[in-house]
Amino acid sequence: EDKVVQSPLSLVVHEGDTVTLNCSYEVTNFRSLLWYKQEKKAPTFLFMLTSSGIEKKSGRLSSILDKKELFSILNITATQTGDSAVYLCAVVFQTGANNLFFGTGTRLTVIP
Amino acid sequence: NAGVTQTPKFQVLKTGQSMTLQCAQDMNHEYMSWYRQDPGMGLRLIHYSVGAGITDQGEVPNGYNVSRSTTEDFPLRLLSAAPSQTSVYFCASRPQGRNTIYFGEGSWLTVV
Repeated sequence: EDKVVQSPLSLVVHEGDTVTLNCSYEVTNFRSLLWYKQEKKAPTFLFMLTSSGIEKKSGRLSSILDKKELFSILNITATQTGDSAVYLCAVVFQTGANNLFFGTGTRLTVIP
Repeated sequence: NAGVTQTPKFQVLKTGQSMTLQCAQDMNHEYMSWYRQDPGMGLRLIHYSVGAGITDQGEVPNGYNVSRSTTEDFPLRLLSAAPSQTSVYFCASRPQGRNTIYFGEGSWLTVV
């Protein structure tokens, strides 16, 4: 059975802290892994990771994939209240349709 | 710059009623899909389509029908609503050959 597990389920930090969110997976036919940020409405795309060991970076956010140990991490440095959201990890299957399989998400709350 | 448009945003149904959630995209994307999001469950794939005239089931298709008569539209039908279908529904689309999907704003459905 395919699984995508995110941890922790929720996290409360103070502004300025650094956080690491985890996503581990056990899936057949792995193609790539995506990170999304979801505030009140639709998830918005953050990163796509396909190769092991290559860090993707955007401002204070960065992410890396380990295909041998089957996990990815999302780092956020110098957190701000605007980073408060649910962070979703999704695995793309290498099938004709390339469907996404989502984890349950990590709810991050940044307090001033 | 419409992207993926879902209607209605909010709906309350009585058990046994039928309704259709509408989804339209103006980006000429071949792939479209419907997800439902429930607390603690993440996003789960209901149905998807890789092009006009082609639809297929996802993880949780029971109780839902879809059709894809045009590239732009992908409606989701609930034939006989049940309280278990109370959820937030997201439509998403993606161009051919890409992994990143783009979500609509969501439709909040309550079945009483």
